[in-house]
Amino acid sequence: NAGVTQTPKFQVLKTGQSMTLQCAQDMNHEYMSWYRQDPGMGLRLIHYSVGAGITDQGEVPNGYNVSRSTTEDFPLRLLSAAPSQTSVYFCASSIDRGTPYEQYFGPGTRLTVT
Amino acid sequence: GIQVEQSPPDLILQEGANSTLRCNFSDSVNNLQWFHQNPWGQLINLFYIPSGTKQNGRLSATTVATERYSLLYISSSQTTDSGVYFCGLDDAGNKLTFGGGTRVLVKP
Repeated sequence: NAGVTQTPKFQVLKTGQSMTLQCAQDMNHEYMSWYRQDPGMGLRLIHYSVGAGITDQGEVPNGYNVSRSTTEDFPLRLLSAAPSQTSVYFCASSIDRGTPYEQYFGPGTRLTVT
Repeated sequence: GIQVEQSPPDLILQEGANSTLRCNFSDSVNNLQWFHQNPWGQLINLFYIPSGTKQNGRLSATTVATERYSLLYISSSQTTDSGVYFCGLDDAGNKLTFGGGTRVLVKP
């Protein structure tokens, strides 16, 4: 298994540009989520999904959109990038059968918005 | 929402030393994990431990859910143990709230 994969690894955007961060998992996990990590801080939840067609907001959802059309993929879209979105973005997945399970994280995407 | 506090914020160790990292939380939890973020930024799962004690090599962890804390023990530390250690937890599901981390530097 490749586990959780993320692309790209690095990205530089100009203010106002849009882009999609890709996340995929091959473990047939129901639950997927996106976190951001700002310098010197812990991770904060942006959006999450408990299955295909179901998404919900986390702690810091503003400026981001998600959709989940398949079990494997959970892309994160930045509609109009702002310097405040400069961060490292992590995707995670886990089993979700009504009780919590261990989460597995991807390698991260380092995004800089100028 | 649930509050998470980790201590100490920074730790400098001589290779071979033992240490204890602490994670305090404000409410009962159903999901608690410890992670190591290595110098390259990758998050590595250490323990899934909503309660009880687990050991994996030189690392062990204990969660006392009734008293709302978890401890991570590092024994005989090595330079490869350097990095940031995070606890992440949730009171009802998979939506983890993270502490601010403990930055560990192990000197040779």
